[in-house]
Amino acid sequence: ELKVEQNPLFLSMQEGKNYTIYCNYSTTSDRLYWYRQDPGKSLESLFVLLSNGAVKQEGRLMASLDTKARLSTLHITAAVHDLSATYFCALNNNDMRFGAGTRLTVKP
Amino acid sequence: GAVVSQHPSWVICKSGTSVKIECRSLDFQATTMFWYRQFPKQSLMLMATSNEGSKATYEQGVEKDKFLINHASLTLSTLTVTSAHPEDSSFYICSARDGREIGETQYFGPGTRLLVL
Repeated sequence: ELKVEQNPLFLSMQEGKNYTIYCNYSTTSDRLYWYRQDPGKSLESLFVLLSNGAVKQEGRLMASLDTKARLSTLHITAAVHDLSATYFCALNNNDMRFGAGTRLTVKP
Repeated sequence: GAVVSQHPSWVICKSGTSVKIECRSLDFQATTMFWYRQFPKQSLMLMATSNEGSKATYEQGVEKDKFLINHASLTLSTLTVTSAHPEDSSFYICSARDGREIGETQYFGPGTRLLVL
């Protein structure tokens, strides 16, 4: 059974700081997703990582995928308050399995 | 991009009544749709997968008779929560896969918040 583990589950950062969210998964997969969810809202797609070594960047967020280590990271650079949200990684193995989510709070 | 809508966006009902939630793909044909449930401060949990014209596949622990799924067309899937109880109160999110795409990207709807009194 595919298991997806995220850490940390809670992250409180100051504006301007950098941090990384980790996503480990248990079975082989070459397609990993990162989503953002704001309170009371549905999911917003951030990144789709399709192959080993894939790196994608959008603004202050950068995601990478290491299929050999079964690890993806979401790196936050110079955090701003607007990035406060819950971030999920997910893998598609016939159906989508989500990590527990990382609740990010960026404080001034 | 592909758009998925859900209706209603929120619903309040009395315990024992049934509630139907619609999920529509607006600009593509969805051969497969998925229903998720999300409790407060938790992750999304897959409830079932529905393919157009066939019976839905339910995840372990999800009651088929309680959560009726109908995928009658390539653009519409419905989830009916029968005899709803307060513990069914949750955020229900559907997603759809574009049948034309080779990949497995799912497009998520905006969600339906259900409150059972």
